[in-house]
Amino acid sequence: GDSVTQKQGQVTLSEDDFLFINCTYSTTTYPTLLWYVQYPGQGPQLLLKVTTANNKGISRGFEATYDKGTTSFHLQKASVQESDSAVYFCALVEYYAQGLTFGLGTRVSVFP
Amino acid sequence: AQTIHQWPVAEIKAVGSPLSLGCTIKGKSSPNLYWYWQATGGTLQQLFYSITVGQVESVVQLNLSASRPKDDQFILSTEKLLLSHSGFYLCAWSSTGNQAPLFGEGTRLSVL
Repeated sequence: GDSVTQKQGQVTLSEDDFLFINCTYSTTTYPTLLWYVQYPGQGPQLLLKVTTANNKGISRGFEATYDKGTTSFHLQKASVQESDSAVYFCALVEYYAQGLTFGLGTRVSVFP
Repeated sequence: AQTIHQWPVAEIKAVGSPLSLGCTIKGKSSPNLYWYWQATGGTLQQLFYSITVGQVESVVQLNLSASRPKDDQFILSTEKLLLSHSGFYLCAWSSTGNQAPLFGEGTRLSVL
């Protein structure tokens, strides 16, 4: 079955630092890859979507890229702010009707 | 605009008692609907999905059941709660096609 691996459990940064989170995936097809952000006590919010067609997405200062060759996808932000502190999940989807497979999540803490 | 509403916001229940959680989508006909469960500090585990009224598919069996009695409503229930049912329950929806699922605000369940 499909799987996605997100190894960085926690990342601690100072404001204006560079953020990079990596996920790898295993699937029999070329899936669509998603990034969600979850703030305490809230449901996850869709941050970015990348597909085999576009390979890259940009939103709210975040950039997501997709590398079919290494079956990996990354989320990065050049300069984080304290308000970026949250849990970031990568997820993959093959058939939208059937839902998502999530990574374990990366807790990002940004200090002023 | 589409809105998703989950109820209740939080529940405290006794082991062995019944449970019913609800989710309603407004502004979208025939959505795909999903239930996810999240342990405290954990990732999201998909439980069920439904692509049409009266049809629900199980992804993971956790002694829970789901039903879709109306096009815009998704219900999660059990007759007998376990301690392991504690956590955060999230409903999500997507349109047909390739829209990424969007989540509600969740229901926090504590089983004592």
